[in-house]
Amino acid sequence: SQQGEEDPQALSIQEGENATMNCSYKTSINNLQWYRQNSGRGLVHLILIRSNEREKHSGRLRVTLDTSKKSSSLLITASRAADTASYFCATDLGGSYIPTFGRGTSLIVHP
Amino acid sequence: GAGVSQTPSNKVTEKGKYVELRCDPISGHTALYWYRQSLGQGPEFLIYFQGTGAADDSGLPNDRFFAVRPEGSVSTLKIQRTERGDSAVYLCASSLYRGHEQYFGPGTRLTVT
Repeated sequence: SQQGEEDPQALSIQEGENATMNCSYKTSINNLQWYRQNSGRGLVHLILIRSNEREKHSGRLRVTLDTSKKSSSLLITASRAADTASYFCATDLGGSYIPTFGRGTSLIVHP
Repeated sequence: GAGVSQTPSNKVTEKGKYVELRCDPISGHTALYWYRQSLGQGPEFLIYFQGTGAADDSGLPNDRFFAVRPEGSVSTLKIQRTERGDSAVYLCASSLYRGHEQYFGPGTRLTVT
C-alpha cells in the first residue's frame, strides 16, 4: 500500500514559472523525503525534512511540512527545462524508517 | 565508492528461469533497501537490511524472492521461477543509517519473456 500521494499527477508549465507539488500521507512519520527521477531510472535525492521541522531550502527548492494536516509541498522556483522529471515524496510509517513512495508528479517545463 | 551501483543494467530472461541482481552500496552505509518500480508507478518497497540482517522483508511478494547481504556490504536479490509479472526496474538504495537520506542506484531493468 502507498503511504504518500502526490498531487497533481501531472504539471505543465513554462520556463521561469514556479512549480508546486503536494504530498499527503496517512500516518505519523519520522521524516519525509523528496526525490526526482528522469527517464524512469535512478532517483536523485532532493531534500529530507524531519517531523519536527517545518521548512527547508536547497537552492531553488523549498519544502514545507505540516504534520497537523499530514501534508508537504515542494516548490521549485524559476523553473528550467532541465527540471522536467517525475517528482516523488517518500514517507516512513511512524517508527519503521522505511521510506514508501507515492505515484509521483510528472513535471514538464517548456522552454 | 562514488555511488550505488547495480549490475546488470538490463536482464532479459525466460519465464521459469532464476535470476540474480546485484547491488553495491556506498561504502560505509549500513542500511540497504531494495525496491521495484513498474511503469508509471512509484518504487515499491521489497526488503531492508541493517548490516547483514534483513530487518524487514515484508515487501517481498512471495517466497520466490529472496535477498542476502552476507558481509554487510554487497547485496544480491534472487528471484526463482521468474514470471512475466516480475518484469520491472529493480532499484537498490543505501543510507548511512536508517532514517537518513537514501541514495539510489541506476536500477536493473528485468524483462521476463
